[in-house]
Amino acid sequence: DTAVSQTPKYLVTQMGNDKSIKCEQNLGHDTMYWYKQDSKKFLKIMFSYNNKELIINETVPNRFSPKSPDKAHLNLHINSLELGDSAVYFCASSPIPVPPLRGGARTPYEQYFGPGTRLTVT
Amino acid sequence: EDQVTQSPEALRLQEGESSSLNCSYTVSGLRGLFWYRQDPGKGPEFLFTLYSAGEEKEKERLKATLTKKESFLHITAPKPEDSATYLCAVQGGGSNYKLTFGKGTLLTVNP
Repeated sequence: DTAVSQTPKYLVTQMGNDKSIKCEQNLGHDTMYWYKQDSKKFLKIMFSYNNKELIINETVPNRFSPKSPDKAHLNLHINSLELGDSAVYFCASSPIPVPPLRGGARTPYEQYFGPGTRLTVT
Repeated sequence: EDQVTQSPEALRLQEGESSSLNCSYTVSGLRGLFWYRQDPGKGPEFLFTLYSAGEEKEKERLKATLTKKESFLHITAPKPEDSATYLCAVQGGGSNYKLTFGKGTLLTVNP
């Protein structure tokens, strides 16, 4: 009954290859994220989807393309992998309402993370 | 741009030796400040949400507090199982609910 799950756990591949990481959440949340955690453990947001609509895209190379087939899934496809793509990638979900509230109450919404996918590009 | 600075980068304690971790932040219209725990090889685990100055939250040996500029995570009589990286994040008032994380504090508690 894992809340946020990712596959695979480890991914080793060569430069130039294309790979995908899958994420699923069973929390009933409408908003999902992809984060990258580098070798210095710094966690940085890449993308956010709210009910299958892209709402955050943080200056990520267009070799990275998120795909959300439904609100419980957010997959990450990476083309032409480079050495610098090696990192741990985390998926997360949050109970942010749809559509996101604009103005009004400033309710905070926590995020729940998956176990991570360690990507190694050789 | 929202910023989060955590200190110290690493902290080594003896079992039972209480201490505090610091999280300083600048954010446009704080919606919430979050504390997470991350164990090696695992994803961040949500601990607390704070959203108004003066607020305090407790969970077992952990207590989080919030001021207008910083948050503290107090660890009382820690045990070796409290060893982990503790991450602080802020969520600003924008409509995208983005979280900005600090670089974390690596806590090691020796028996």
